[in-house]
Amino acid sequence: DADVTQTPRNRITKTGKRIMLECSQTKGHDRMYWYRQDPGLGLQLIYYSFDVKDINKGEISDGYSVSRQAQAKFSLSLESAIPNQTALYFCATSVRGSEQYFGPGTRLTVT
Amino acid sequence: GENVEQHPSTLSVQEGDSAVIKCTYSDSASNYFPWYKQELGKRPQLIIDIRSNVGEKKDQRIAVTLNKTAKHFSLHITETQPEDSAVYFCAAFGSNFGNEKLTFGTGTRLTIIP
Repeated sequence: DADVTQTPRNRITKTGKRIMLECSQTKGHDRMYWYRQDPGLGLQLIYYSFDVKDINKGEISDGYSVSRQAQAKFSLSLESAIPNQTALYFCATSVRGSEQYFGPGTRLTVT
Repeated sequence: GENVEQHPSTLSVQEGDSAVIKCTYSDSASNYFPWYKQELGKRPQLIIDIRSNVGEKKDQRIAVTLNKTAKHFSLHITETQPEDSAVYFCAAFGSNFGNEKLTFGTGTRLTIIP
């Protein structure tokens, strides 16, 4: 769905480096989410935000932080990347109680 | 919080046969139940959803049923085709204050055998 974009699409980084993944949306949704997906596994919620001033931890927030710079932008940071954070990261948007629209994903490899 | 269990984790069916995937949820206040399809390396995409005021919904070869009393819902795919091969995720939306988010099941890898 071109209305939700993620940058970068692929990233290889070294252990200990700080990295930021960015998400932008043009759908006008107030809610944004970050998920992590490990190979062959389901979606784990990292952080979610219901509006610019509202940030909530998900199931697996340790080692991650987020910033909601505007209604349309939600960034995920790994302060000091470690190899077990190698995964596929998805951003998603929604309005309350309705479908979530996912971005194309960022494949992150930490060596 | 909400807990969603999904079964089976893998499912293989002959092309043309039906496939059924089942999910249970724990929060009786949940009121929205989407199903997502994820093809290899792609993003999850909604294929069908159902709200708690409806017991069944159909869209061509896909149907979803919801039993609120038993807190379970199922995805039915009839006349399966090779392009149905993917991972399918169920989810439940908790509507209670402080729990207003989708909780996903662990996924079912569906393989259609030609």
